[in-house]
Amino acid sequence: QSALTQPASVSGSPGQSITISCTGTSSDVGGYNYVSWYQQHPGKAPKVMIYDVSNRPSGVSNRFSGSKSGNTASLTISGLQAEDEADYYCSSYTSSSTLYVFGTGTKVTVL
Amino acid sequence: QVQLQESGPGLVKPSQTLSLTCTVSGDSISSGDYYWNWIRQHPGKGLEWIAYIYYSGNTYYNPSLKSRVSISVDTSKNQFSLKLSSVTAADTAVYYCARGARGYTYYFDYWGQGTLVTVSS
Repeated sequence: QSALTQPASVSGSPGQSITISCTGTSSDVGGYNYVSWYQQHPGKAPKVMIYDVSNRPSGVSNRFSGSKSGNTASLTISGLQAEDEADYYCSSYTSSSTLYVFGTGTKVTVL
Repeated sequence: QVQLQESGPGLVKPSQTLSLTCTVSGDSISSGDYYWNWIRQHPGKGLEWIAYIYYSGNTYYNPSLKSRVSISVDTSKNQFSLKLSSVTAADTAVYYCARGARGYTYYFDYWGQGTLVTVSS
């Protein structure tokens, strides 16, 4: 089971919107609505930002939103803030024996 | 507030067995509402799911590690543990324990802070 494909880096200025893509296959992202997104600051544990493609856990800013089209899921951060600078990972359920697969990770830089 | 805390040796010799324990507070493993997971992150790299255990003792392992991994649960202590045998330098990573949602959803809602395990002689 290969990792889901994400861009290595995405950047934006404060206040702008950015979108991170996460591309898989019909066995994972495309086949199920079980995509989640995690934010990880340096030296910290990942924190779930989106689950089940587009659901936000309690306490997560509504500046974060998720969507999916075909085999590609996306995380959009609107009104970019300095505190959003972090690594972001997508994850999906997979029908392969691996069960869970993560993305390659995207470093978000706030210019 | 749910909290998970990993504990165990930070240095393991090659060919030996890595052993870690995750202590859960603020939730009961016995509730049966969640899966209890181990996930690792190689230095500067992405995340890799290792295994989960259910309160009943049912387990599921990543096939790439299955031959070397064992996960167990102690509901009386509200802990679950990981053992990874025959370690090599490639097993050097930050190991996280995490609570996994179950029931037509698959994500990890609470994570431990992570513990770095280095494999070196």
